[in-house]
Amino acid sequence: DAGVTQSPTHLIKTRGQQVTLRCSPKSGHDTVSWYQQALGQGPQFIFQYYEEEERQRGNFPDRFSGHQFPNYSSELNVNALLLGDSALYLCASSLEGLLGELFFGEGSRLTVL
Amino acid sequence: GENVEQHPSTLSVQEGDSAVIKCTYSDSASNYFPWYKQELGKRPQLIIDIRSNVGEKKDQRIAVTLNKTAKHFSLHITETQPEDSAVYFCAASKPGRALTFGSGTRLQVQP
Repeated sequence: DAGVTQSPTHLIKTRGQQVTLRCSPKSGHDTVSWYQQALGQGPQFIFQYYEEEERQRGNFPDRFSGHQFPNYSSELNVNALLLGDSALYLCASSLEGLLGELFFGEGSRLTVL
Repeated sequence: GENVEQHPSTLSVQEGDSAVIKCTYSDSASNYFPWYKQELGKRPQLIIDIRSNVGEKKDQRIAVTLNKTAKHFSLHITETQPEDSAVYFCAASKPGRALTFGSGTRLQVQP
């Protein structure tokens, strides 16, 4: 049973560029959450997708957007990259109705130069 | 929204000693409190969780306690081993809401 898979694992962008990160949830899971983890910090909630809709959103600007596909996989898009967007982006999947239980992927490490 | 504070930020213990990490939360409606372990360069992994209808839960050398009145919960690791060295995160959530994480505790177990 595959867990949560994310791609790419590492990427480097320059300021002003755009990036797309991808996530496949754990088999049987229907909800995908995205978190940003800056170096030495705890994960910060970006948004959550369920039934292809953004259901919740954390305190992130509109430059951060996402999508969920019918197969429950998800993308995170970040436009107009800033140096401060450099972080590990974690995708976590869960099953609707099971309170809070998240399974994380290994993350995509984004470096913005 | 929910705010979770975690301390200490770093903790060093001798192998075999116990380690305790404490967290406080702000939203009294929160009812789910997981703990995650993150080894260097790895994903956070759930090690134990507790829901607000219980005060304590134990799994081998790991235990979590919850004090709803004081709005704090703690992770206890007994008989620590070098492989317990990692960053530990507490988190809290209320029904239908995303997890809010603490800032993490770097635990180092000295052989």
